[in-house]
Amino acid sequence: EPEVTQTPSHQVTQMGQEVILRCVPISNHLYFYWYRQILGQKVEFLVSFYNNEISEKSEIFDDQFSVERPDGSNFTLKIRSTKLEDSAMYFCASVAGQGDWNTEAFFGQGTRLTVV
Amino acid sequence: KQEVTQIPAALSVPEGENLVLNCSFTDSAIYNLQWFRQDPGKGLTSLLLIQSSQREQTSGRLNASLDKSSGRSTLYIAASQPGDSATYLCAPWGNNAGNMLTFGGGTRLMVKP
Repeated sequence: EPEVTQTPSHQVTQMGQEVILRCVPISNHLYFYWYRQILGQKVEFLVSFYNNEISEKSEIFDDQFSVERPDGSNFTLKIRSTKLEDSAMYFCASVAGQGDWNTEAFFGQGTRLTVV
Repeated sequence: KQEVTQIPAALSVPEGENLVLNCSFTDSAIYNLQWFRQDPGKGLTSLLLIQSSQREQTSGRLNASLDKSSGRSTLYIAASQPGDSATYLCAPWGNNAGNMLTFGGGTRLMVKP
């Protein structure tokens, strides 16, 4: 069964460093998302991406964050100058889409980011 | 802005019981609603998708209902098993609130053998 793959599964970084979280969405899916979950809190939407550009973003997704799909398969989330409060589980999701929102979202297993 | 509430927050039951998990949301203009399972420290596994035109969806021992007009969804788990122990998350896919899933805080379920 097709699945969303995220790497690495766990990343530890020092405050102020840049990190790149990687995702391989399901082939032929068109819509891609990043969510995060701070320990003990709700899963929160960060950003959606379609047709090689950001569709929507939340208040959390400020200038510190960026996304791109550099090679048509990988979908990356870059966090510049990480802060302690960026420590969370980051989830990538993909949706087949094609204009019909009545489709299922599939999530990866997440990357646990720890900023020290 | 879509707000999603799940009740109860935690539930502990003996094996074999039938369970009802509740989800309410404030913006009824949704495309669909998904129920997910999350094991501790793990990712989100999609359990059921209910499209906006549907009222019910079934998968094995799981049955989910959706009442858009009242902003409610229910996940029914029949004959619970210890392997069902996990956190169950409800997430409507917004329309007015934006084209993304909005998650509730989840119901943490423990099924005791």
